[in-house]
Formats: sequence, structure tokens, C-alpha cells
Amino acid sequence: AQTVTQSQPEMSVQEAETVTLSCTYDTSESDYYLFWYKQPPSRQMILVIRQEAYKQQNATENRFSVNFQKAAKSFSLKISDSQLGDAAMYFCAYRSPEYGNKLVFGAGTILRVKS
Amino acid sequence: EPEVTQTPSHQVTQMGQEVILRCVPISNHLYFYWYRQILGQKVEFLVSFYNNEISEKSEIFDDQFSVERPDGSNFTLKIRSTKLEDSAMYFCASSSTPDSIKNIQYFGAGTRLSVL
Repeated sequence: AQTVTQSQPEMSVQEAETVTLSCTYDTSESDYYLFWYKQPPSRQMILVIRQEAYKQQNATENRFSVNFQKAAKSFSLKISDSQLGDAAMYFCAYRSPEYGNKLVFGAGTILRVKS
Repeated sequence: EPEVTQTPSHQVTQMGQEVILRCVPISNHLYFYWYRQILGQKVEFLVSFYNNEISEKSEIFDDQFSVERPDGSNFTLKIRSTKLEDSAMYFCASSSTPDSIKNIQYFGAGTRLSVL
């Protein structure tokens, strides 16, 4: 079964600094997709960034970037120039076409941003 | 920007009662999902729905659960006889296509179900 592990229940970062959130996953599939979702206190999950497993190039979206290490099954999220609005729960998620369209989520990491 | 809308935001019910959680997916989306998150636990997949039928469901989605798209806009999750362990946050999601990286699931803000 596919599993997603986020080993950091909580992280803190100073405003304007950089923080990296960790995610590892377990799968035997070669074709899959990885996602980071942000869940602010309002509770609506918002897609932050996504990565296709067959692409070697790491995805980037403005201040958000990933470090995708396929062999290590690692998918970390780097947030640069952290802002107060980045404070939220961050979920790493996995999806494989072989197993339908369901997202498999990690437990989440609470990110606190200090001013 | 289009949003997935869920109502109510908080539902309190007595054990054994039926509840219906409502969702309005993004208007041009065709694929619909329910997930739940028990407090302190992971977000878990319940069911996906396409073309007026269930396309996939998890072991959690037993006979007590049902989904329906009663009209062109709503997507509902019904729990027939609620149990204490059904207390959770329920998230609705929708996407425009099931396949490839373009299947981005957009989530609602959730309905917190409290079973007393």
C-alpha cells in the first residue's frame, strides 16, 4: 500500500527566512504524482505545488519549490522568504493512476511563522 | 476564483441520526470526492464519483454511507445512522478530469461533524 510520511509535526520559521518541510513516501509504482497542499486556519486546502514522478526537474512556484529525490522516495517542500500568510498546516499527498484518483495524505506539518 | 462550497460548516447530531453533508463542486467539474479527517489523524479518502455513479470507494465507505448528485450542482454525502466514531471533518473535492497531472482536486473548507 502507498503511504506518505511527514516526520515533522510542527516547524517554525522566522519571517523572511527559508524553511524546508520533509515528506517521504512508499510505493512500488513508477508512474505517480506528488502534491503539497496548504490548509490555513480557515480549513480550505489549497494546492501549493505538484510534481510528476517522471520529471527529473524539481517543480517551482514562486517562493515554493520542491526537492524531489525519486530513488530516496523523498519530496520536500522549500518555502523561501517566508511570510506570515504561509502559516498553515501543510500536507504532502500522493496519487497514482494505477490506484484510481484518490489522494493519499501524510499526517501534516504545522508551520508557524514568527515576526 | 471558483470554489468548492460545503454546508453546513458545523453539524451536531445525536448518535443514530441520519445526516446529509452538502457540497457544491466547481461548476464545470465532473469528478467528485469525499475525504474525512478524524481529529489528530490523516485525511482519508472515502469515495469518488463520476457520471452519477461511484467510481471508487475505501473500506471506510460502508453501507452506512451513500453519495448522490441530486441535481446539476449539489453533491451530497449521507450517513444513515451516525456513530460516535463518525465525528470528523468531512471534505468535499472536485476535479475536471481524473487523469494525469491535470487532475487537480480542489477542496472545500469542510464540514465538522460532531456526533454526541
